This record gives sequence, structure tokens and C-alpha cells, in this order.
Amino acid sequence: DTAVSQTPKYLVTQMGNDKSIKCEQNLGHDTMYWYKQDSKKFLKIMFSYNNKELIINETVPNRFSPKSPDKAHLNLHINSLELGDSAVYFCASSPVTGGANTEAFFGQGTRLTVV
Amino acid sequence: LAKTTQPISMDSYEGQEVNITCSHNNIATNDYITWYQQFPSQGPRFIIQGYKTKVTNEVASLFIPADRKSSTLSLPRVSLSDTAVYYCLVARSNDYKLSFGAGTTVTVRA
Repeated sequence: DTAVSQTPKYLVTQMGNDKSIKCEQNLGHDTMYWYKQDSKKFLKIMFSYNNKELIINETVPNRFSPKSPDKAHLNLHINSLELGDSAVYFCASSPVTGGANTEAFFGQGTRLTVV
Repeated sequence: LAKTTQPISMDSYEGQEVNITCSHNNIATNDYITWYQQFPSQGPRFIIQGYKTKVTNEVASLFIPADRKSSTLSLPRVSLSDTAVYYCLVARSNDYKLSFGAGTTVTVRA
């Protein structure tokens, strides 16, 4: 059973389109995250949710809207896609945040290519 | 959050021990030090976490001096499959943010 699963794994789309990436975790964790990894391999946090509540929004453009229908799911919707949105997007979850026991489990990533 | 500084890259050979040092001069009392490993085309994977002194698990050891301003991840007897990017993170309770630095690319050669 995959602990954190994302779909799709690859996404190629044209500029201006709207797309969604889905994430599900079966670990019973309270906290979920979205990270963006660009071509230089920097991993930047985008959002953090705790028990379906948005906790962190790291100055991400409004075109990105996360949605957490329940504790096990955190989806990412992107409007009006731009070339600069091309990256690998990782979903992750952890039982608690920061401090002890900060083991976060990451999905396999979604490689988004905007053409 | 304490900023972390690590070497950009390190080369090693199979069977050698690899030590990666991370500086975190502004670490706070409540901060823990955590290391992650990332293989190409995969998400990061937790390796080890510590607060002070030494922690060892089946994968690695983590050495943290008394002042906690740095930490060293030690990978014993590396193999080709240990080639990856290794990230050092500093995080505290209820921070809701795991901030990754640039990481250290470790390349193991035969």
C-alpha cells in the first residue's frame, strides 16, 4: 500500500489551462504539505494543512489553490498555467509538525510541464 | 527558523565512510535536526533525526556537538545506491513548515 500517493505522475499541458493534482495519504497523519521542486532541485514549501485547515501559505500566487476535503486528502488546483509553473510537485504528510517526530512521508511527485 | 548551510557536493568511493556537515548557527532550544535523502525522480525520504549527542540507526549516524550549531551525518561504507541528495533540516514543534536547503549531492563511484 502506497503511503502517500499523487496523481497524475506526469502532466503536460498548455499555457493558460487549469489543472489539478490529487494527493492521498493512508497513514492517518494530521498534517499535509505541497512542495515545489524546480529545475535547480530546490524544494520549496507551498502550503501546509493541519486537520483540513490551511496553516502555511508561502506567498504562492493566487492561481494555486489547495483544497483539503478531509484529513487524508490534499489536492492542488492551478489556474491559468504559466511556463514558470513547470516543476515537480510533491505532496507529503507527517504525524506532527516540527520538533520531535518530524518524519514526513513524500509522494513520488508529479512532473508538470507547461508548453 | 534556523538557516542551514551544507556543502553543495561530495564525491566518494564504494566502501568509504561519508560525512556531511551541516551548519545551523541560529538553532533554537526547541529545534530538532533532521536529515532527508532524495534519489532522482523520487520524493525525499527521512533518514535520521536528533536533538543532541549521537543518534544511530540502521542507515546512518548523526553527531551533534554540545553547542548544536552544527551536525554531521555519517554514512558508513557507502555503495553506489547511496548516490543521492542529502538535506539537513532544522524544525521545531508546531512549526508546520519543513524548510529544505539546497542539499548536498553525494556521488558514489565504483
